[in-house]
Amino acid sequence: QSALTQPASVSGSPGQSITISCTESSSDVDDYDYVSWYQQHPGKAPKLIIYHVTNRPSGVSIRFSGSKSGNTASLTISGLQAEDEADYYCSSFTTTSHWVFGGGTKLTV
Amino acid sequence: QITLNESGPTLVKPTQTVTLTCLFSGFSLSSDEVGVGWIRQPPGKALEWLALIYWDDDKVYSPSLKNRLTIAKATSQNQIVLIMTNMEPVDTATYYCVYRRALLFGEGDVGFDPWGQGILVTVSS
Repeated sequence: QSALTQPASVSGSPGQSITISCTESSSDVDDYDYVSWYQQHPGKAPKLIIYHVTNRPSGVSIRFSGSKSGNTASLTISGLQAEDEADYYCSSFTTTSHWVFGGGTKLTV
Repeated sequence: QITLNESGPTLVKPTQTVTLTCLFSGFSLSSDEVGVGWIRQPPGKALEWLALIYWDDDKVYSPSLKNRLTIAKATSQNQIVLIMTNMEPVDTATYYCVYRRALLFGEGDVGFDPWGQGILVTVSS
């Protein structure tokens, strides 16, 4: 059982905004400051889109943003586009220097 | 440009040991705070972090799999390997090699970027 809980699916229409939550349920995920988000299209390797809760790697669209409140991190995608349809995974670096992943969320546009 | 490429057997029998190799380019695993690791994904399921090796040869393993895993580097060849023992059908998955860059001041973790294309390993008799 993952220490990070995500909704199985979310959906939105083109142009809308959606938010995917990632709730930690383990004391191993201390402070929850080291959350990353990955986007995975079918048959492709995951791609890092957010790290350290709010930071975007170079080349990632500004439509992707991250935040955190308490024990829940969130990924928001604004101005939804058809190409955003993918699976999204949150991940966190733990106090024991390991990484854990959420169960993944399927986004339908 | 950083690239990682996984290789190894794509079909193994139950109880066998599998060795996966990651050949990388665009960086040196001798550089401070750099790490290279493995993450797997069973078909239709979520990602699972397995192991990571740092530039200084420090190694970390998934607590649930540490007894079956060995990660090692061959710096001069720009390769790392993952050895997984006692393979079972539940270990059928795509295995990805991933890069973790050096941390800048104030950063605690920066995620994995980029990823290799992955190798599907099927465990079946």
